[in-house]
Amino acid sequence: NAGVTQTPKFQVLKTGQSMTLQCAQDMNHNSMYWYRQDPGMGLRLIYYSASEGTTDKGEVPNGYNVSRLNKREFSLRLESAAPSQTSVYFCASSEGAFSAAFGNGTRLTVT
Amino acid sequence: AQSVTQLGSHVSVSEGALVLLRCNYSSSVPPYLFWYVQYPNQGLQLLLKYTTGATLVKGINGFEAEFKKSETSFHLTKPSAHMSDAAEYFCAVSWGGAQKLVFGQGTRLTINP
Repeated sequence: NAGVTQTPKFQVLKTGQSMTLQCAQDMNHNSMYWYRQDPGMGLRLIYYSASEGTTDKGEVPNGYNVSRLNKREFSLRLESAAPSQTSVYFCASSEGAFSAAFGNGTRLTVT
Repeated sequence: AQSVTQLGSHVSVSEGALVLLRCNYSSSVPPYLFWYVQYPNQGLQLLLKYTTGATLVKGINGFEAEFKKSETSFHLTKPSAHMSDAAEYFCAVSWGGAQKLVFGQGTRLTINP
């Protein structure tokens, strides 16, 4: 049972570089999410996709873009990385408004 | 704005003692309520959830939580702490058709031998 799979697990970027975080789920969930986790701040929603073909901004969308490629995949792109984007990123999926399943996270450092 | 507050960023209890982690939310609309646990370097795992029905909810690993609408609270308890309970715990809330979870700041639970 794969659940929610995120790649890569770790990444180091220099300021200004770009990268895409990949996420795939095999539970046939309609909704997918990207969160960032920073010490003392819990998880903050970056973007979410309620269903295939739709995306919406969350609490902290600046500096990020997303693509809901199909029902399974939801990617997060950093066009020009900044040190403030150093964080742990989690992808999640759910069916409706019920409990979400989470990936194991991507630890990103921007120098 | 709808929000979730966890009282205490760090809670420390002795092995065998009661665990109480507090969560309050602000909303005029009845929410769905969740507790998640995160072990080091891992993702979040669902402990328990309240959607409708009985307000006392039992979850995995001996944890339970009670939804108190009048107090807008959903505190997490466990009668007897075990060393393996050491982790970070997150309260989360969603509101009906919003289809997104709002998280509290997290509480790190330490268990003393």
